[in-house]
Amino acid sequence: EPEVTQTPSHQVTQMGQEVILRCVPISNHLYFYWYRQILGQKVEFLVSFYNNEISEKSEIFDDQFSVERPDGSNFTLKIRSTKLEDSAMYFCASSEQEHYEQYFGPGTRLTVT
Amino acid sequence: QKEVEQNSGPLSVPEGAIASLNCTYSDRGSQSFFWYRQYSGKSPELIMSIYSNGDKEDGRFTAQLNKASQYVSLLIRDSQPSDSATYLCAVKTSGSYGKLTFGQGTILTVHP
Repeated sequence: EPEVTQTPSHQVTQMGQEVILRCVPISNHLYFYWYRQILGQKVEFLVSFYNNEISEKSEIFDDQFSVERPDGSNFTLKIRSTKLEDSAMYFCASSEQEHYEQYFGPGTRLTVT
Repeated sequence: QKEVEQNSGPLSVPEGAIASLNCTYSDRGSQSFFWYRQYSGKSPELIMSIYSNGDKEDGRFTAQLNKASQYVSLLIRDSQPSDSATYLCAVKTSGSYGKLTFGQGTILTVHP
């Protein structure tokens, strides 16, 4: 069964460093998303991506964040200068169409020290 | 602000019972509704989607949607200890490009 994969599973970084989180969406899916979940809190939307463009982004997704589809399979989230409050689980998701079911990857736990 | 509300629980039911999980949403124009299950430290796992009023059944799970009341629920029949998890209600609100708005989740415990 196809699934979304994410690497790394855990990333530890120092404040101010850049991190890149990687995702491989399900192969026939066209819509890609990043969400995050701070420990004990709700899952929060960050950004949606379609046809090599950002479709929508949340208030959280400020200039420190960027997304890219560098090739036909990978989808990345970059945080340019990490802050302590960026510590969270980051989930990638994908869907066939905009209103269809979204399937989540296993997540990357980001710890900023 | 478009919100999704769930009773955070915890909800405790005995093995074999029916667990009933509820969710309300504020955006009347919402069209797509999803239930996810999340085990501790894991990612959300899709259980059900529902798009139109009424019931939708899949195995032991039944999703119910009432758009007039802005209410969606999930029933789990013959609950098993392995169903113990946090259940997340997610709504695609009107005007969004796939963005899901999640509730805070209901913790379900099924005890033997």
